[in-house]
Amino acid sequence: AQSVTQPDIHITVSEGASLELRCNYSYGATPYLFWYVQSPGQGLQLLLKYFSGDTLVQGIKGFEAEFKRSQSSFNLRKPSVHWSEAAEYFCAVGNSGGYQKVTFGTGTKLQVIP
Amino acid sequence: DAGVIQSPRHEVTEMGQEVTLRCKPISGHNSLFWYRQTMMRGLELLIYFNNNVPIDDSGMPEDRFSAKMPNASFSTLKIQPSEPRDSAVYFCASSLRYGNSEAFFGQGTRLTVV
Repeated sequence: AQSVTQPDIHITVSEGASLELRCNYSYGATPYLFWYVQSPGQGLQLLLKYFSGDTLVQGIKGFEAEFKRSQSSFNLRKPSVHWSEAAEYFCAVGNSGGYQKVTFGTGTKLQVIP
Repeated sequence: DAGVIQSPRHEVTEMGQEVTLRCKPISGHNSLFWYRQTMMRGLELLIYFNNNVPIDDSGMPEDRFSAKMPNASFSTLKIQPSEPRDSAVYFCASSLRYGNSEAFFGQGTRLTVV
């Protein structure tokens, strides 16, 4: 069965600092990988996705993620964080065969200090 | 497009009552998902429809939960009878096609069972 681990429940960074959120997945084949962001009281919004090809994926709002098969990781990065990006971030894995059943991690809550 | 529309946004009900949550997916999307989000369990997939047909309902917690999709533009999730432990935020999401496409989420229904 596919699964996702986000080891950091809560992360605090200063505004303008760089950010890296960790994500490890478990899936038998090449997975489909996603990062979503959830602002308070809102639904989830897709930041970026990886299906195949270039392992460095660019997303919206200046976010990027790198798929590393050898480490089963798909970490999210941003060079400089804005205070408005305080939110909860979810990594997710989808199966590449059959229908797309997407499994979400437990999320990482990001706090940004002005 | 207005996105995925869920109603109501908030629902407070007494234990034992029937609760019906509603979802209107994005027009043209043929896959629909119901998720439940709680602090304890995170984001859980309850059921997935493709072309109005339930494909995977293995996440539905109990027989008290049922979901229908009578047509491509409407789905319901019903809980009967409701219990306090059903309190959660319920999200509906839709995606364009069977396979590798992102899911668009509604803003959720916050259910409180007292």
